[in-house]
Amino acid sequence: KAGVTQTPRYLIKTRGQQVTLSCSPISGHRSVSWYQQTPGQGLQFLFEYFSETQRNKGNFPGRFSGRQFSNSRSEMNVSTLELGDSALYLCASSRDSGRIGTDTQYFGPGTRLTVL
Amino acid sequence: GQNIDQPTEMTATEGAIVQINCTYQTSGFNGLFWYQQHAGEAPTFLSYNVLDGLEEKGRFSSFLSRSKGYSYLLLKELQMKDSASYLCAVRPLRIGGYQKVTFGTGTKLQVIP
Repeated sequence: KAGVTQTPRYLIKTRGQQVTLSCSPISGHRSVSWYQQTPGQGLQFLFEYFSETQRNKGNFPGRFSGRQFSNSRSEMNVSTLELGDSALYLCASSRDSGRIGTDTQYFGPGTRLTVL
Repeated sequence: GQNIDQPTEMTATEGAIVQINCTYQTSGFNGLFWYQQHAGEAPTFLSYNVLDGLEEKGRFSSFLSRSKGYSYLLLKELQMKDSASYLCAVRPLRIGGYQKVTFGTGTKLQVIP
Protein backbone atom coordinates (compact mmCIF):
# COMPACT_ATOMS: atom_id res chain seq x y z
CA LYS A 1 0.00 0.00 0.00
CA ALA A 2 1.41 3.39 -0.97
CA GLY A 3 2.27 5.80 1.80
CA VAL A 4 1.34 9.42 2.21
CA THR A 5 2.63 11.54 -0.64
CA GLN A 6 3.23 15.26 -0.69
CA THR A 7 3.99 17.58 -3.55
CA PRO A 8 6.09 19.48 -4.17
CA ARG A 9 8.98 18.28 -1.99
CA TYR A 10 10.85 21.56 -2.17
CA LEU A 11 9.64 25.06 -2.86
CA ILE A 12 11.28 28.47 -2.94
CA LYS A 13 9.08 31.56 -2.84
CA THR A 14 9.50 35.24 -2.13
CA ARG A 15 7.75 37.34 0.49
CA GLY A 16 4.24 38.29 -0.43
CA GLN A 17 3.64 35.38 -2.74
CA GLN A 18 1.21 32.57 -2.03
CA VAL A 19 1.75 28.83 -2.12
CA THR A 20 -0.37 25.69 -2.33
CA LEU A 21 0.84 22.37 -1.00
CA SER A 22 -0.77 19.04 -1.77
CA CYS A 23 -1.17 15.85 0.21
CA SER A 24 -2.49 12.46 -0.88
CA PRO A 25 -3.30 10.21 2.11
CA ILE A 26 -2.95 6.48 2.35
CA SER A 27 -5.80 4.75 0.56
CA GLY A 28 -8.77 4.34 2.89
CA HIS A 29 -7.63 7.07 5.28
CA ARG A 30 -10.19 9.78 5.82
CA SER A 31 -8.38 12.10 8.21
CA VAL A 32 -5.62 14.43 7.06
CA SER A 33 -3.68 16.70 9.42
CA TRP A 34 -1.15 19.38 8.59
CA TYR A 35 1.83 20.42 10.71
CA GLN A 36 4.52 23.04 10.51
CA GLN A 37 7.95 22.10 11.80
CA THR A 38 10.78 24.55 12.39
CA PRO A 39 14.07 23.97 14.24
CA GLY A 40 13.49 24.17 17.97
CA GLN A 41 9.70 24.50 17.68
CA GLY A 42 8.66 20.94 17.21
CA LEU A 43 5.53 19.99 15.35
CA GLN A 44 2.99 22.79 15.35
CA PHE A 45 -0.53 21.71 14.46
CA LEU A 46 -2.16 23.66 11.64
CA PHE A 47 -5.48 21.92 10.99
CA GLU A 48 -7.17 18.61 10.48
CA TYR A 49 -9.74 17.55 7.92
CA PHE A 50 -12.06 14.60 8.05
CA SER A 51 -14.53 13.76 5.29
CA GLU A 52 -14.05 17.20 3.71
CA THR A 53 -14.76 19.05 6.96
CA GLN A 54 -12.25 20.94 9.07
CA ARG A 55 -12.38 19.18 12.40
CA ASN A 56 -9.69 21.05 14.29
CA LYS A 57 -7.63 24.18 13.83
CA GLY A 58 -4.38 25.29 15.42
CA ASN A 59 -3.28 28.78 16.40
CA PHE A 60 -2.11 30.05 13.06
CA PRO A 61 -3.18 33.27 11.32
CA GLY A 62 -5.87 33.28 8.66
CA ARG A 63 -3.20 33.35 5.95
CA PHE A 64 -3.03 29.59 6.46
CA SER A 65 -5.98 27.71 5.04
CA GLY A 66 -6.77 24.27 3.79
CA ARG A 67 -9.35 22.02 2.28
CA GLN A 68 -10.06 18.39 1.64
CA PHE A 69 -11.59 16.85 -1.42
CA SER A 70 -14.04 13.98 -1.73
CA ASN A 71 -11.19 11.55 -2.46
CA SER A 72 -9.55 12.61 0.85
CA ARG A 73 -6.72 14.43 -0.87
CA SER A 74 -5.94 17.70 0.87
CA GLU A 75 -4.36 21.01 0.05
CA MET A 76 -3.09 23.79 2.23
CA ASN A 77 -2.58 27.34 1.12
CA VAL A 78 -0.46 30.08 2.59
CA SER A 79 -1.08 33.57 1.31
CA THR A 80 1.11 36.65 1.64
CA LEU A 81 4.18 34.64 2.60
CA GLU A 82 6.48 35.90 5.33
CA LEU A 83 10.10 34.97 6.04
CA GLY A 84 8.96 33.16 9.18
CA ASP A 85 6.86 30.78 7.12
CA SER A 86 10.02 28.98 6.02
CA ALA A 87 9.59 25.50 7.44
CA LEU A 88 8.97 21.84 6.76
CA TYR A 89 5.25 21.29 6.22
CA LEU A 90 4.13 17.80 7.07
CA CYS A 91 0.93 16.06 6.23
CA ALA A 92 -0.28 13.03 8.17
CA SER A 93 -3.19 10.72 7.48
CA SER A 94 -5.11 8.26 9.62
CA ARG A 95 -7.95 5.86 8.99
CA ASP A 96 -9.85 7.03 12.06
CA SER A 97 -12.73 4.61 11.75
CA GLY A 98 -13.59 5.06 15.42
CA ARG A 99 -11.85 1.86 16.49
CA ILE A 100 -8.93 1.99 18.90
CA GLY A 101 -5.64 2.45 17.12
CA THR A 102 -7.09 3.63 13.83
CA ASP A 103 -6.26 7.21 14.70
CA THR A 104 -2.54 6.49 14.36
CA GLN A 105 -1.10 9.13 12.06
CA TYR A 106 1.27 8.29 9.23
CA PHE A 107 3.37 11.11 7.88
CA GLY A 108 4.31 12.07 4.37
CA PRO A 109 7.86 13.15 3.48
CA GLY A 110 6.98 16.82 3.81
CA THR A 111 7.36 19.93 1.71
CA ARG A 112 10.30 22.12 2.57
CA LEU A 113 9.30 25.72 1.95
CA THR A 114 11.89 28.47 1.81
CA VAL A 115 10.71 32.08 1.74
CA LEU A 116 13.26 34.63 0.53
CA GLY B 1 -5.27 22.01 27.31
CA GLN B 2 -2.42 19.57 27.02
CA ASN B 3 1.17 19.78 28.23
CA ILE B 4 3.84 17.26 27.25
CA ASP B 5 7.37 17.17 28.64
CA GLN B 6 10.35 15.26 27.31
CA PRO B 7 14.08 15.73 27.85
CA THR B 8 15.61 17.80 25.09
CA GLU B 9 18.68 15.71 24.45
CA MET B 10 20.20 12.40 25.49
CA THR B 11 23.42 10.57 24.67
CA ALA B 12 23.94 6.82 24.90
CA THR B 13 26.52 4.29 23.83
CA GLU B 14 26.17 1.80 21.00
CA GLY B 15 24.93 -1.54 22.32
CA ALA B 16 23.51 -0.04 25.50
CA ILE B 17 19.92 0.53 26.64
CA VAL B 18 18.32 3.96 26.85
CA GLN B 19 15.01 5.09 28.33
CA ILE B 20 13.31 8.23 27.03
CA ASN B 21 10.66 9.59 29.36
CA CYS B 22 7.53 11.53 28.57
CA THR B 23 5.13 13.10 31.04
CA TYR B 24 1.83 14.63 30.06
CA GLN B 25 -1.08 16.53 31.49
CA THR B 26 -4.34 16.41 29.57
CA SER B 27 -7.99 17.03 30.25
CA GLY B 28 -8.60 13.41 29.36
CA PHE B 29 -6.62 10.62 27.76
CA ASN B 30 -7.24 8.40 24.81
CA GLY B 31 -3.84 7.17 23.70
CA LEU B 32 -0.12 7.92 23.55
CA PHE B 33 2.08 7.60 20.49
CA TRP B 34 5.82 7.46 19.96
CA TYR B 35 7.45 8.52 16.71
CA GLN B 36 11.02 8.46 15.45
CA GLN B 37 12.29 11.28 13.28
CA HIS B 38 15.68 11.29 11.62
CA ALA B 39 17.14 14.67 10.73
CA GLY B 40 15.52 16.11 7.63
CA GLU B 41 12.96 13.33 7.39
CA ALA B 42 9.33 12.84 8.38
CA PRO B 43 8.33 11.18 11.67
CA THR B 44 7.71 7.45 11.48
CA PHE B 45 5.32 5.64 13.79
CA LEU B 46 6.87 3.45 16.49
CA SER B 47 4.20 2.55 19.02
CA TYR B 48 0.77 3.26 20.44
CA ASN B 49 -0.31 2.73 24.05
CA VAL B 50 -3.86 3.10 25.27
CA LEU B 51 -3.79 0.77 28.27
CA ASP B 52 -1.34 0.67 31.18
CA GLY B 53 1.65 -1.56 30.79
CA LEU B 54 4.51 -2.42 28.50
CA GLU B 55 4.23 -2.94 24.76
CA GLU B 56 7.23 -4.66 23.22
CA LYS B 57 8.15 -4.49 19.56
CA GLY B 58 11.56 -5.87 18.78
CA ARG B 59 14.31 -3.67 20.23
CA PHE B 60 11.79 -0.98 21.10
CA SER B 61 9.33 -1.08 24.00
CA SER B 62 6.89 1.54 25.24
CA PHE B 63 5.40 1.80 28.70
CA LEU B 64 2.36 3.72 29.89
CA SER B 65 0.98 4.65 33.29
CA ARG B 66 -2.25 6.59 32.85
CA SER B 67 -2.64 7.35 36.55
CA LYS B 68 0.79 9.00 36.62
CA GLY B 69 0.57 10.66 33.20
CA TYR B 70 3.83 8.98 32.32
CA SER B 71 5.29 7.00 29.48
CA TYR B 72 8.72 5.88 28.41
CA LEU B 73 10.29 4.49 25.28
CA LEU B 74 12.95 1.88 25.87
CA LEU B 75 15.54 1.21 23.18
CA LYS B 76 17.71 -1.88 23.60
CA GLU B 77 20.94 -2.89 21.86
CA LEU B 78 21.39 0.62 20.55
CA GLN B 79 22.65 1.03 17.04
CA MET B 80 24.16 4.11 15.40
CA LYS B 81 21.09 4.37 13.16
CA ASP B 82 18.96 4.95 16.28
CA SER B 83 20.38 8.47 16.46
CA ALA B 84 17.24 10.53 15.87
CA SER B 85 14.60 12.59 17.60
CA TYR B 86 11.88 10.70 19.45
CA LEU B 87 8.51 12.39 19.69
CA CYS B 88 5.85 11.64 22.27
CA ALA B 89 2.27 12.51 21.27
CA VAL B 90 -0.98 12.36 23.19
CA ARG B 91 -4.58 12.06 22.04
CA PRO B 92 -6.96 13.49 24.64
CA LEU B 93 -10.29 11.88 25.35
CA ARG B 94 -13.10 12.62 22.95
CA ILE B 95 -15.89 14.32 24.86
CA GLY B 96 -18.58 16.03 22.84
CA GLY B 97 -16.16 16.62 20.03
CA TYR B 98 -12.88 15.61 18.58
CA GLN B 99 -9.52 16.38 20.13
CA LYS B 100 -6.36 16.74 18.08
CA VAL B 101 -3.15 14.89 18.77
CA THR B 102 -0.58 17.03 20.58
CA PHE B 103 3.14 16.41 20.08
CA GLY B 104 5.95 17.02 22.51
CA THR B 105 9.00 18.88 21.26
CA GLY B 106 10.96 15.64 21.02
CA THR B 107 14.09 14.13 22.53
CA LYS B 108 17.20 14.18 20.37
CA LEU B 109 19.12 10.97 20.97
CA GLN B 110 22.75 10.70 19.98
CA VAL B 111 24.28 7.23 19.91
CA ILE B 112 28.06 7.23 20.22
CA PRO B 113 30.51 4.37 19.51
